[in-house]
Amino acid sequence: TQTVSQSDAHVTVFEGDSVELRCNYSYGGSIYLSWYIQHHGHGLQFLLKYYSGNPVVQGVNGFEAEFSKSDSSFHLRKASVHWSDSAVYFCAVREVSSGSWQLIFGSGTQLTVMP
Amino acid sequence: EAAVTQSPRNKVAVTGGKVTLSCNQTNNHNNMYWYRQDTGHGLRLIHYSYGAGSTEKGDIPDGYKASRPSQENFSLILELATPSQTSVYFCASGGDWGGRGAETLYFGSGTRLTVL
Repeated sequence: TQTVSQSDAHVTVFEGDSVELRCNYSYGGSIYLSWYIQHHGHGLQFLLKYYSGNPVVQGVNGFEAEFSKSDSSFHLRKASVHWSDSAVYFCAVREVSSGSWQLIFGSGTQLTVMP
Repeated sequence: EAAVTQSPRNKVAVTGGKVTLSCNQTNNHNNMYWYRQDTGHGLRLIHYSYGAGSTEKGDIPDGYKASRPSQENFSLILELATPSQTSVYFCASGGDWGGRGAETLYFGSGTRLTVL
């Protein structure tokens, strides 16, 4: 069974701080990983994705994520957060080799950026 | 920019009534999805479609039907609505990224359904 785990339900930081939101997955096939952001009252928006190549991928608004096969992780990072980054962040995984088109979403991490 | 439009934005229904949630996409994407979002459960896949005329069951299809009459439109139908179906529903479309099954999803703004 494919699973994706976001261990932190809530993360609170101050504006200008760096932040890391954690994502771990549990299967070993060829996988596709992505992060989405959801602002309150809105649908999810794509941030970034990884399939192969450089394990550090850049996304919009200064976000980046690093894939680690040894740790089964795909953590999202930002060097200096802004109040507008307050939102819920979802990690999503698809096992490419399975032939399934289903993205499995984590339960989300609520990021709150304090002024 | 890809566009996915859901209607209605809010819906109040009575138990046992029929509810239809509509979704329209202008991206010419083959794949479309219906999710529900509940506190503590994240996003759960209800039904999806690979193209016009196709519908597939997701993880939680019981109590729901789907219809994909065209490339652009994908509906979610609750024939006999129950209070347990009170939730926020999201539609999404996606196209294959590079032919490797690694698509980006574009989501609508959601429909808040309350079943009394």
